[in-house]
Amino acid sequence: DVKVTQSSRYLVKRTGEKVFLECVQDMDHENMFWYRQDPGLGLRLIYFSYDVKMKEKGDIPEGYSVSREKKERFSLILESASTNQTSMYLCASIAEREGGEQYFGPGTRLTVT
Amino acid sequence: GDSVTQMEGPVTLSEEAFLTINCTYTATGYPSLFWYVQYPGEGLQLLLKATKADDKGSNKGFEATYRKETTSFHLEKGSVQVSDSAVYFCALSGRSGYSTLTFGKGTMLLVSP
Repeated sequence: DVKVTQSSRYLVKRTGEKVFLECVQDMDHENMFWYRQDPGLGLRLIYFSYDVKMKEKGDIPEGYSVSREKKERFSLILESASTNQTSMYLCASIAEREGGEQYFGPGTRLTVT
Repeated sequence: GDSVTQMEGPVTLSEEAFLTINCTYTATGYPSLFWYVQYPGEGLQLLLKATKADDKGSNKGFEATYRKETTSFHLEKGSVQVSDSAVYFCALSGRSGYSTLTFGKGTMLLVSP
């Protein structure tokens, strides 16, 4: 079974803190993704990566950065957390370039106070 | 750009009722279409998919048919169970090369005994 794990299920941070969200997949997938999920807005793509050290902006990259130093690990970084970044963050990975299933982690619920 | 529109919820049904959740899309080219399900407290998991026009995806009693002429991918189930209570997301994969997904806003389904 493909497994995608995220470092925390719940996280509370203060405004202005630097926040790291970690995602690890164990199936040697090339492509990894970070989404945020908000009520009434569905899932929105923040960043994705198709290879080690490669990254592409998604639909809402502002205020975020990412790091992919190893194939299995994809990190989302909030350089200076703000209250409007309070959300559920979901990581996903996929093996195929086209039309394949994305496997999701359980999510990290981040609250910025 | 690509977009997915699905009916707003919550959809409230009694056990054994018939379910339809409407989904329509706008995309260039020929996207693959997906339904994902999110049970309470969990990440998303693939429910079914269709990769070309007239394909029918099915899983766990759920079905959806890829209708190119109406740009639709409606989810149906003949007899819902309490355990089907979840949030359902329609999605398309249209951005070539990286399998990024565009999601609808999600429809919550509540099934009562």
